[in-house]
Amino acid sequence: KNEVEQSPQNLTAQEGEFITINCSYSVGISALHWLQQHPGGGIVSLFMLSSGKKKHGRLIATINIQEKHSSLHITASHPRDSAVYICAAPPGGATNKLIFGTGTLLAVQP
Amino acid sequence: EPEVTQTPSHQVTQMGQEVILRCVPISNHLYFYWYRQILGQKVEFLVSFYNNEISEKSEIFDDQFSVERPDGSNFTLKIRSTKLEDSAMYFCASSGGTWTYEQYFGPGTRLTVT
Repeated sequence: KNEVEQSPQNLTAQEGEFITINCSYSVGISALHWLQQHPGGGIVSLFMLSSGKKKHGRLIATINIQEKHSSLHITASHPRDSAVYICAAPPGGATNKLIFGTGTLLAVQP
Repeated sequence: EPEVTQTPSHQVTQMGQEVILRCVPISNHLYFYWYRQILGQKVEFLVSFYNNEISEKSEIFDDQFSVERPDGSNFTLKIRSTKLEDSAMYFCASSGGTWTYEQYFGPGTRLTVT
């Protein structure tokens, strides 16, 4: 069974700061997902990655499969980045379901 | 850009009533999922569906729950006799393939059982 742990649970930043959110998991996986959940509740998929690094605008996600660790970085953070960021991974074995982390609540202050 | 849609956005029902939550997955996707999130808790898996049958379900998905793809576009979650503890946000998701494929989430249905 895969355990997905995130840190920190809460993060407050000033506008413009570089932000890092970490995710670690306990079993080998083929791909890890980063998701964003806004206060209204909807979930948006940001990245799915299985190796290396992906970049989309100011968001960068990296994964180290050997160390079972992934990071989500936000460069030049903005108040509109305020949301809950969630990593999710399959539990291992032949399954399509995702196991979710507890999420990181990010507040970016102007 | 194609997206997953869900209706209604908010459903209020009385304990013991049946509810049907509806989802329209992305049209060429083959795998469909329901997840739920109780307020303040993690998102948790309920069920996955492929080729017109359940491919996997969690311990939460008991006999009170059922899923159906009644036509080529809709994917529904039915709760036969709702309980207070069923109050949660329910998310539908779809993907074009197995675990290496990205899952696309709908906006969610907030179910409130009174």
